[in-house]
Amino acid sequence: QQQVKQSPQSLIVQKGGISIINCAYENTAFDYFPWYQQFPGKGPALLIAIRPDVSEKKEGRFTISFNKSAKQFSLHIMDSQPGDSATYFCAASIKGSSNTGKLIFGQGTTLQVKP
Amino acid sequence: DGGITQSPKYLFRKEGQNVTLSCEQNLNHDAMYWYRQDPGQGLRLIYYSQIVNDFQKGDIAEGYSVSREKKESFPLTVTSAQKNPTAFYLCASSTLGKGGSSEQYFGPGTRLTVT
Repeated sequence: QQQVKQSPQSLIVQKGGISIINCAYENTAFDYFPWYQQFPGKGPALLIAIRPDVSEKKEGRFTISFNKSAKQFSLHIMDSQPGDSATYFCAASIKGSSNTGKLIFGQGTTLQVKP
Repeated sequence: DGGITQSPKYLFRKEGQNVTLSCEQNLNHDAMYWYRQDPGQGLRLIYYSQIVNDFQKGDIAEGYSVSREKKESFPLTVTSAQKNPTAFYLCASSTLGKGGSSEQYFGPGTRLTVT
């Protein structure tokens, strides 16, 4: 119930196309859903995050869609560019009185955007 | 220049030796975390700390130890008891917002190779 399942494991998209990465969870106590972008040999960087009180959040070319009833959320990268080639992780956090901030990560998706 | 620093970037050790990885943050964050990342896998939580002089085990704490003597520092020791220590180690920090989860920010990572 603590898991976050991410798909696909790898994705190849043409430049200018839309990249879509999906995540699913079971625990309805999750209240925070961030996406991280990681380049090879670097630490992950926070890309965009959403809370369950909204169904969509957009920042530039990056959009999170959130479906609370289906317990799914996805990252859409519009007009994908070669510079977007990286590994993307979804994550979820459990709300609790102690508020540890612990994140549960998906397995990651390696995105390659072809020129 | 605010952020999280990890040192060294690369570390090589012989099997049976303990090794300590450094993590420092000047973001005034309360919470700090250590993750392990293996090729093609997501991030797995080793230890985390919400406050000075206190820390909790994560999902894969066996063979690791930590200390939190200062707010800005959270060193990780990989002991000889860790069966497969070769991995990419990531340190993160976050504030602990009231009523919800807060963004985690990651350091650049330390790649540990044990032979």
